[in-house]
Amino acid sequence: SQQGEEDPQALSIQEGENATMNCSYKTSINNLQWYRQNSGRGLVHLILIRSNEREKHSGRLRVTLDTSKKSSSLLITASRAADTASYFCATDFQGAQKLVFGQGTRLTINP
Amino acid sequence: DSGVTQTPKHLITATGQRVTLRCSPRSGDLSVYWYQQSLDQGLQFLIQYYNGEERAKGNILERFSAQQFPDLHSELNLSSLELGDSALYFCASSVDPGTMSDTQYFGPGTRLTVL
Repeated sequence: SQQGEEDPQALSIQEGENATMNCSYKTSINNLQWYRQNSGRGLVHLILIRSNEREKHSGRLRVTLDTSKKSSSLLITASRAADTASYFCATDFQGAQKLVFGQGTRLTINP
Repeated sequence: DSGVTQTPKHLITATGQRVTLRCSPRSGDLSVYWYQQSLDQGLQFLIQYYNGEERAKGNILERFSAQQFPDLHSELNLSSLELGDSALYFCASSVDPGTMSDTQYFGPGTRLTVL
């Protein structure tokens, strides 16, 4: 399957701690995006990183991309209860005309 | 609020029936995408339309069809419904369909329950 795979499937941490989620994929990509989904709601775009970029920041979010290992990580620093959600990576595979979403990481921030 | 609207929010129907889900994209977005999210399959891309024309096809069943109208709203038609079609159906829109590098803005979804 070309689908990205997130790791871990579920993560529970204390408020204030950092959360790291990983995404691996199998074929060459043009870009990789991270989305957040609150329970039963629509997905919200967080950040896009292109295949020629290695790191990107947006507020408390830091995304890295290692194309040699075909993997990406999303770091949320100083987590808050409002960060509780599922996080998905989505890849735009070269030659494909669609975004392929992983199964997601379910993040729980405990107060 | 993403600016993408979907109706209805919830839909309960019986097997064998047909339903229509509606989506209005963000103002100015020409591209509409449909996704199905279920517990066992995750988020699956179904189909994309750009300015009224089909642009890309994903894992869409033959029982499903979609279209995009001149006012850019889109409808997803699901027929001969089966229990396994129960899922959340999302619509998303974006400005540029040329590449998937464009941010997609998701609607709140329609929860379909087939009994």
